[in-house]
Amino acid sequence: GQQVMQIPQYQHVQEGEDFTTYCNSSTTLSNIQWYKQRPGGHPVFLIQLVKSGEVKKQKRLTFQFGEAKKNSSLHITATQTTDVGTYFCAGGAGGYNKLIFGAGTRLAVHP
Amino acid sequence: DVKVTQSSRYLVKRTGEKVFLECVQDMDHENMFWYRQDPGLGLRLIYFSYDVKMKEKGDIPEGYSVSREKKERFSLILESASTNQTSMYLCASSLPREQLLRTEAFFGQGTRLTVV
Repeated sequence: GQQVMQIPQYQHVQEGEDFTTYCNSSTTLSNIQWYKQRPGGHPVFLIQLVKSGEVKKQKRLTFQFGEAKKNSSLHITATQTTDVGTYFCAGGAGGYNKLIFGAGTRLAVHP
Repeated sequence: DVKVTQSSRYLVKRTGEKVFLECVQDMDHENMFWYRQDPGLGLRLIYFSYDVKMKEKGDIPEGYSVSREKKERFSLILESASTNQTSMYLCASSLPREQLLRTEAFFGQGTRLTVV
């Protein structure tokens, strides 16, 4: 079945450093979504990418969708302690948009 | 705001018990999902429903069943609970892609199930 791989599993950075997490799918995706889960919370939607090669920005966060629609990345510039949490990518597939999540990247930010 | 409500935040059940986890959403979403979340494994899809009475197996359906008798409610059933089903269970809902609207999933708060 469809698989979505995400790396790294864990990243520890100093506040102010940049952070990137990568997502790869075994099949072509109709869309890719990114979620953030704060410690003790539930995943919350950040953004959706649909077009091949699409790049979107939200303040310090930059999201990319690969040309082949099989990979994606999330880059955070100058991390802050409020960025702490686990970031998940989720690939949408099929007409009903079944969402398959990656394993997530847990980000720790030290002041 | 979309609200997805799971019936319990914490549950403790005995091995062999039949367990029902309930999820209700108030946004008339066609899609509903059940995931389990375990450390290092992320969110794994158990079952997916795209309409009333319609369901599709996810990656780890063994030991689980689901029921979708009404559009707003999606139930996860553990037929005979086992200790390896101790986990955090997350329900979510979304619109289908054909509607060309934002199709993000909205999650409930989760149910932490412990099977002893």
